[in-house]
Amino acid sequence: NAGVMQNPRHLVRRRGQEARLRCSPMKGHSHVYWYRQLPEEGLKFMVYLQKENIIDESGMPKERFSAEFPKEGPSILRIQQVVRGDSAAYFCASSRESNTEAFFGQGTRLTVV
Amino acid sequence: ELKVEQNPLFLSMQEGKNYTIYCNYSTTSDRLYWYRQDPGKSLESLFVLLSNGAVKQEGRLMASLDTKARLSTLHITAAVHDLSATYFCAVDLSSNSGYALNFGKGTSLLVTP
Repeated sequence: NAGVMQNPRHLVRRRGQEARLRCSPMKGHSHVYWYRQLPEEGLKFMVYLQKENIIDESGMPKERFSAEFPKEGPSILRIQQVVRGDSAAYFCASSRESNTEAFFGQGTRLTVV
Repeated sequence: ELKVEQNPLFLSMQEGKNYTIYCNYSTTSDRLYWYRQDPGKSLESLFVLLSNGAVKQEGRLMASLDTKARLSTLHITAAVHDLSATYFCAVDLSSNSGYALNFGKGTSLLVTP
């Protein structure tokens, strides 16, 4: 049973470009969480999705960031018009049910140049 | 806003010594987690503490939870080099938000010969 798969592992974007980060949850998991980790910081919750629904987006920046988890395919975190401050590691976690333990992927390290 | 504070943030200790990492949080929460992160890697779940007085041990690590004091500790016994990593504690933000966690800044542990 494969773990949570994130791709790409590393992503370099120029300022103003779009970044798309993908997360395939573990088999049987329908709950996905995105977190952002700035250098030398802990993870910050961004958004919680269940298939086709955004449950909690209280941690998402109001502009340029969006997330989806379609019925088929991976969850996508999309960052439009990236800026240098978006450079961070973005982690996805998935769980089978809400309030059950989630497992983290290996992260996507985004660098904006 | 739920705040999670860890101390110390940096810890250098000799092999064979004991030490405790502290995690304080600001509001009532049902669950507390401890994670380990190696450089450039994802988070590895160490412990999930669910109730007041809970104590869990795995190898040289022991975690405890005092919900009345809003304090969790991670005790390291007879440290070895392999324990060098960053350790995070994390607390549920809301029971309505699934696995949305609020992380501390982490404790970077270096075990030296």
